[in-house]
Parts: sequence; structure tokens; C-alpha cells
Amino acid sequence: GNSVTQMEGPVTLSEEAFLTINCTYTATGYPSLFWYVQYPGEGLQLLLKATKADDKGSNKGFEATYRKETTSFHLEKGSVQVSDSAVYFCALSTGRFGKGTRLSVIA
Amino acid sequence: GAGVSQSPRYKVAKRGQDVALRCDPISGHVSLFWYQQALGQGPEFLTYFQNEAQLDKSGLPSDRFFAERPEGSVSTLKIQRTQQEDSAVYLCASSPKSGTGVAKNIQYFGAGTRLSVL
Repeated sequence: GNSVTQMEGPVTLSEEAFLTINCTYTATGYPSLFWYVQYPGEGLQLLLKATKADDKGSNKGFEATYRKETTSFHLEKGSVQVSDSAVYFCALSTGRFGKGTRLSVIA
Repeated sequence: GAGVSQSPRYKVAKRGQDVALRCDPISGHVSLFWYQQALGQGPEFLTYFQNEAQLDKSGLPSDRFFAERPEGSVSTLKIQRTQQEDSAVYLCASSPKSGTGVAKNIQYFGAGTRLSVL
């Protein structure tokens, strides 16, 4: 079946630190892959996406590459800001989500 | 409308009561998803519609849960004889394209309905 496994949080980083949140998936076929973000008090919103193998999604300094050979879609950012504090969800286009990783960035 | 609208935003129900949660998707969106999100967890897939057809209901936790989208637009999630374990935020999302495996199938989420069963 389809499922997503992402690294458990919470993750606490200092401002300007490097961020990686791991995500691996199992799926039949070739789903699109997404990262969604939920800021405090807000609803889920799309952060970035990738639609086929080796695609790189990017937005707001975040990047993730669709790796079919390792069934992974790890989220990275080179220098996090306090405003990046949120919960991040990895997801498949089939509607399967990871459990979420809470990121807290401290000044 | 401009986005996905869900109502009510909050619902308190007594155990055993029936509830109905409404979702107004973005106009023209073909796909509609319902999710259940428990506190501190990720959204758990419940069911998926393509227009009025319910193509996947594998995530519905029991036969007390029922969803419909009779005209391919507004959808209602009904929970009968609510139990305390049904307490969660119920999210609706819509997508412009059909098919769950189609590329670029971005989902747009509503703010959710927080259900509390006492």
C-alpha cells in the first residue's frame, strides 16, 4: 500500500542552522510528492512539490528532490529563520501523509 | 469562493449524537479528500471523491462514518453515534485535477472542523 514515513520531531535549531527532515515513502505507481507546512494557528498549505523522479521542488529557500531509487523526498534548507517554525508534513498525491515534524527555530 | 470552506469550525457533540460536517471546495475542482487529524498527528486519509463518485473510502474507520458529494461540488461527512475517539480535526481538501496519481495534483485545504465528543 501507500505510506509515508518521516523523521519524528520535535526538531529545535538555532537561526541560520542547516535543516534536514527525512521522508521516505512506499507507493504503487508513480505518485507526485509534496511537502506541506502548517504554521501555528493556520491551516495546511503547500510548501513545494515534485512530480517525477529527479525533480527538485523548491520554495522559500526549502528544497526537496524526488529520489525514486531510495524512495525518498528529504526536505532541506540551508539557513533557517525563526519564521520557519511550524509543523512540516511529507505527502503523496494519493492522500497519504506523514505524521509531521515540528520545527522550532530559536534566535 | 476563494478557498475551501468548512463548516462548522467547531462542533461539540454528546456521545451517541450524529453530526454532519460540510465542505465547500474551490469552484470547479474535480477531486475532494477528507482527512482526520488527531492532536499532534498528521492527517489520516478517510475518503476521496472524483466529482460525485466516491472512488476510495478505504480510510473510513467504521461504518459509522459516511461521506457524500451528490452533485460533485459540496461534500458532507456524517458521523453516526459519535464516540469519544472520534474527537479530532476533520480536514477537507480539493484539487483541480482528477486521479490520485496524476502529476501536479496539489491539494488545497480548508481550515478544518474541530469535533469534540463529550
